Amino acid sequence: QKEVEQNSGPLSVPEGAIASLNCTYSDRGSQSFFWYRQYSGKSPELIMFIYSNGDKEDGRFTAQLNKASQYVSLLIRDSQPSDSATYLCAVNMEASGNTPLVFGKGTRLSVIA
Amino acid sequence: DAGITQSPRYKITETGRQVTLMCHQTWSHSYMFWYRQDLGHGLRLIYYSAAADITDKGEVPDGYVVSRSKTENFPLTLESATRSQTSVYFCASRGGGREQYFGPGTRLTVT
Repeated sequence: QKEVEQNSGPLSVPEGAIASLNCTYSDRGSQSFFWYRQYSGKSPELIMFIYSNGDKEDGRFTAQLNKASQYVSLLIRDSQPSDSATYLCAVNMEASGNTPLVFGKGTRLSVIA
Repeated sequence: DAGITQSPRYKITETGRQVTLMCHQTWSHSYMFWYRQDLGHGLRLIYYSAAADITDKGEVPDGYVVSRSKTENFPLTLESATRSQTSVYFCASRGGGREQYFGPGTRLTVT
């Protein structure tokens, strides 16, 4: 069964710290990896995607992918209370990309002012 | 630029009634998806569509029907609503790129 695993949290970090969110996936052939942010009562919002091994930076966010370890992470630098949300990891497990994403259940992040 | 919209945003219905949730996207994305989200279960895929007139079951399709006669619309019908279908429903779409975007959601309560 194709699975994406995330620690449910809550992950509590002080304001200004680095928040590190982790995700593992079961299918070694997975090609595309996504991070969504979901505020309470709102829909998931795409914040980062990564397709190649290594790091990808966008503002305060860095996505890290290690296909050999089947591991993808999201770092949030200078965390702000507004970053408090649930973060969903999603993986496309087919090389063609023409299949539905498999979602983890999310990690709840709480940034303490 | 409306993107992806869902209607209604909130719906209360009674057990046994038929309910249709609407999803409309303005991007001409080929793929469209319906998810439900419940506490403890995360996002679960109900149905998806690769193109007009092509639909496929997801993880939890029982009790739901979909159609896609036009690329931009992907309605979800609950033929005879049950209390277990009380949930938040999200529609999503994906185009030529691999990124997938969600609509604002419909909160459905079945009494």
